Amino acid sequence: SAVISQKPSRDICQRGTSLTIQCQVDSQVTMMFWYRQQPGQSLTLIATANQGSEATYESGFVIDKFPISRPNLTFSTLTVSNMSPEDSSIYLCSVGVTSGETQYFGPGTRLLVL
Amino acid sequence: EDKVVQSPLSLVVHEGDTVTLNCSYEVTNFRSLLWYKQEKKAPTFLFMLTSSGIEKKSGRLSSILDKKELFSILNITATQTGDSAVYLCAVANAGGTSYGKLTFGQGTILTVHP
Repeated sequence: SAVISQKPSRDICQRGTSLTIQCQVDSQVTMMFWYRQQPGQSLTLIATANQGSEATYESGFVIDKFPISRPNLTFSTLTVSNMSPEDSSIYLCSVGVTSGETQYFGPGTRLLVL
Repeated sequence: EDKVVQSPLSLVVHEGDTVTLNCSYEVTNFRSLLWYKQEKKAPTFLFMLTSSGIEKKSGRLSSILDKKELFSILNITATQTGDSAVYLCAVANAGGTSYGKLTFGQGTILTVHP
């Protein structure tokens, strides 16, 4: 399985500001995804991070609010823009390992917006 | 729209008990079903199932998939307090722009008392 790291692990932010979350994998992977888990809820896919092209967003998520970059096959960032308290969640990146197509999750970023 | 439903939503047992967690799904283009264990932030991968009737086993945990009836079960025998967690079921989509996308169920909160 891939080793995945995320930074920061947690943060407390003021409303109206933006936070960029980084996801680093120790090997090249085909698929990278970003999920959100709101308090008491299950995981919801935000978008698929595509290497060298724009991310593919799920219904209800837009690029202006959640811009994503993926400059290479081992790294991606998710920015949560113009934050409000409703953005308080755990944000998780996941990767698909091409050999088994199992998805593994990073350790997550716990975000609290005041 | 893809849908995953887990039951029960919560379960309280004593050490040594055996539990069965259920997952039913509706997906337009099924690729695989995955089980995860979530204790703090990051879901930890347990099993990936693609074929009906073939049991996957890891220690005291086992899982099986029924693609005709569209459900899976996760069994945990001789439960321990360390099994206390949220167990998540997810289905991977095989089609087009949804390739690799995971749709999660609500999760089952398992509490094991000493």
